[in-house]
Amino acid sequence: SYELSQPPSVSVSPGQTATITCSGDQLGDRYISWYQQKSGQSPVVVMYQDSRRPSGIPERFSGSNSGNTATLTISGTQTMDEADYYCQAWDTNTACWVFGGGTKLTVL
Amino acid sequence: QVQLQESGPGLVKPSETLSVSCAVSGDSISNFYWGWIRQPPGKGLEWIGYLSHSGSTAYNSFLKSRISISVDMSKNSLSLKLQSVTAADTAVYYCARLTSTTQIGYFDNWGQGTLITVSS
Repeated sequence: SYELSQPPSVSVSPGQTATITCSGDQLGDRYISWYQQKSGQSPVVVMYQDSRRPSGIPERFSGSNSGNTATLTISGTQTMDEADYYCQAWDTNTACWVFGGGTKLTVL
Repeated sequence: QVQLQESGPGLVKPSETLSVSCAVSGDSISNFYWGWIRQPPGKGLEWIGYLSHSGSTAYNSFLKSRISISVDMSKNSLSLKLQSVTAADTAVYYCARLTSTTQIGYFDNWGQGTLITVSS
């Protein structure tokens, strides 16, 4: 089955740029979505179709996807951005949606 | 704004069937696609399956033999049944609205989730 790999944790200082990666075989050929899950809350989509931001998501969130790696970038990271982030893609072989293992973003 | 509310028994015994419901408000369930995702305590997300507005379903291949997803149009709700549960099925179960059943799809609205614990 298709697998998506994410770093377990990323740390960033407030105001700096956070980069969260998601890796998979020929990932650039697929569409990636990103979800933010704050402690004790349900996931919220922050990026879809690689680089499209849902309404209500701040402009500091951006996304890209090329080759084997997709990237979620948070510019000017704020303490409210501290959360777990999950990438998601479609596995054409199994006709399943697959999630990455998640990345815990710490802002300190 | 569509809202989703899951409900379940909280505790299920091993080998029994887990049943979770999701009440949808704010729009007709027949207008969209719907998915189930679960999250074991302290772990990541796992897609379980989806139901399209035409009634067709698709399931995670790892769970396919044990899953059933259905819809009750009269109650504007959907349900998930998972048979022969074990402790490994302990998780928060989420229902979510799915934008498409193709690779461009994503989950744009989630319920608050319901924790199901499998234990004797």
